[in-house]
Amino acid sequence: GEDVEQSLFLSVREGDSSVINCTYTDSSSTYLYWYKQEPGAGLQLLTYIFSNMDMKQDQRLTVLLNKKDKHLSLRIADTQTGDSAIYFCAESPPSGTYKYIFGTGTRLKVLA
Amino acid sequence: NAGVTQTPKFQVLKTGQSMTLQCAQDMNHNSMYWYRQDPGMGLRLIYYSASEGTTDKGEVPNGYNVSRLNKREFSLRLESAAPSQTSVYFCASSEFRGLSEKLFFGSGTQLSVL
Repeated sequence: GEDVEQSLFLSVREGDSSVINCTYTDSSSTYLYWYKQEPGAGLQLLTYIFSNMDMKQDQRLTVLLNKKDKHLSLRIADTQTGDSAIYFCAESPPSGTYKYIFGTGTRLKVLA
Repeated sequence: NAGVTQTPKFQVLKTGQSMTLQCAQDMNHNSMYWYRQDPGMGLRLIYYSASEGTTDKGEVPNGYNVSRLNKREFSLRLESAAPSQTSVYFCASSEFRGLSEKLFFGSGTQLSVL
């Protein structure tokens, strides 16, 4: 069945790089997404990658996709205290459905 | 530009009470969704509406009903609330750009059922 797995917690020091990992099972996903949820707020789309790409860079964010291992990662360079949040990876819905598949979320804590 | 607006932000119910969570989007999106978020379980889809006039069950529909009132509004109703429905509820909508369908979320409703 479909499943998206993430580690629950990550703690880094301000200025270091953060790497948040995700594994997924549906190899037919067209897009893979990273959403950020700040305390008391809804999820906001951070970035996404098309499934035929290996890497996407957007300012401090780098997304790496390993389709063979079904592994997705989000690297945040020069992590700031404002990056403290929960990060969710998600797969685009299987063809013919509207059912996105979300991971459990990784809570990133940035220490000053 | 308000995006997706949910009301109320907080609600406390007693077991057996009913209530309706309201959601409206101003982005002219066709699709709308209701999710619940529970610790360690990520987001689970309750119901969705692919387009105005249609609704479908998601992963956890039991105990809920929905109404797609018009293109803008999608409400979620709990007919007889149970403690297991204590959760944070999110409404979302999506636009379609080729194959990339990005979700836009409201700020959530924190519901406690005693």
